[in-house]
Amino acid sequence: GQSLEQPSEVTAVEGAIVQINCTYQTSGFYGLSWYQQHDGGAPTFLSYNGLDGLEETGRFSSFLSRSDSYGYLLLQELQMKDSASYFCAVREPGGGKLIFGQGTELSVKP
Amino acid sequence: NAGVTQTPKFRVLKTGQSMTLLCAQDMNHEYMYWYRQDPGMGLRLIHYSVGEGTTAKGEVPDGYNVSRLKKQNFLLGLESAAPSQTSVYFCASKGDTGELFFGEGSRLTVL
Repeated sequence: GQSLEQPSEVTAVEGAIVQINCTYQTSGFYGLSWYQQHDGGAPTFLSYNGLDGLEETGRFSSFLSRSDSYGYLLLQELQMKDSASYFCAVREPGGGKLIFGQGTELSVKP
Repeated sequence: NAGVTQTPKFRVLKTGQSMTLLCAQDMNHEYMYWYRQDPGMGLRLIHYSVGEGTTAKGEVPDGYNVSRLKKQNFLLGLESAAPSQTSVYFCASKGDTGELFFGEGSRLTVL
């Protein structure tokens, strides 16, 4: 099976940089994804790492180290609208399962 | 292009009642998923489907049944609702790049 660990809460100030970590224990691995969810609404896709290294999409970057079973989401130039919950998710190889972490609630303060 | 649509959006049930949640997607995706979300528990996979006519168990399948008779629809059934099934239910479909597209959620309360 799969298990993922991420911090439950993170607080940062507007304009700062914040990193949300995710560690996973899996019997197989096919990539790490990140999703954002505002106020219990529909989660939306942010990024995907299938291989080691950094993926950048605007103010958001995501990193993966498969040897360390570790990844992170980096948010730069934080804005108030970035206050949301962020979930890492692991895709199992072969099948369609996508398992989510418990989520990190990010609060951005003025 | 509606994406993923869930009905109903809200429902209150009494213990022991049955109901079905409907998920419809218009993106021709093969893979579809049902998750439940409870405070502090993240998104937990109930059942999923890798194509029309197929279903598979996720992390928390007990008390739920699913069917995928048509590619665009994925139904989640509760045969005998329990208060522990009070939750927000999200349906999703997976695109070709692996990205999940979620519906807006169905908020179920079991009294």
